[in-house]
Amino acid sequence: DAKTTQPPSMDCAEGRAANLPCNHSTISGNEYVYWYRQIHSQGPQYIIHGLKNNETNEMASLIITEDRKSSTLILPHATLRDTAVYYCIVRGYNTDKLIFGTGTRLQVFP
Amino acid sequence: DTAVSQTPKYLVTQMGNDKSIKCEQNLGHDTMYWYKQDSKKFLKIMFSYNNKELIINETVPNRFSPKSPDKAHLNLHINSLELGDSAVYFCASSQDFGGALLETQYFGPGTRLLVL
Repeated sequence: DAKTTQPPSMDCAEGRAANLPCNHSTISGNEYVYWYRQIHSQGPQYIIHGLKNNETNEMASLIITEDRKSSTLILPHATLRDTAVYYCIVRGYNTDKLIFGTGTRLQVFP
Repeated sequence: DTAVSQTPKYLVTQMGNDKSIKCEQNLGHDTMYWYKQDSKKFLKIMFSYNNKELIINETVPNRFSPKSPDKAHLNLHINSLELGDSAVYFCASSQDFGGALLETQYFGPGTRLLVL
């Protein structure tokens, strides 16, 4: 079972920041937080991952709370093409298994 | 120059038939996976292969048999298809298997299987 809880859906205006929350209160010390997204039934696409420090790449930023029980994915300037289902995944240190939950359906509107 | 490709994109077949889905990756990765996404959009891992060796085998009926002729290919053969096999099947690959590397997985476009 997925170890994460996400809101089922969110809306965001184009050009604004999209902040997607994720709860992972049972995360272990050696487990990473991964984010993937799935655009309209395409294959899932990797976005970012982190352990305890905040991370940023060309797609997004990941903010992990100090107790690591929750995190937020930030799309700084959402576009219509960012409309997708976003999955927050807790991944064990020594496993390749990505256990997908139900994700958050982000709708970016003009 | 698609990184992970799958064929066919759509597959419609009758119950009881045997079918195969093919996956190829040109990323030079060592590990490949099959995932199933059902009608409720739940995405679950089925198998993973590392250097042609089976690593992960989730609770999947033995009608499903993955075959890896080489590192770049992982095919999925399904015998005696059932209505419940209707789903989208995604292939994925990563540079290596787990451990400290925690490699990113790259997914293919999916094969939409409909069993009538």
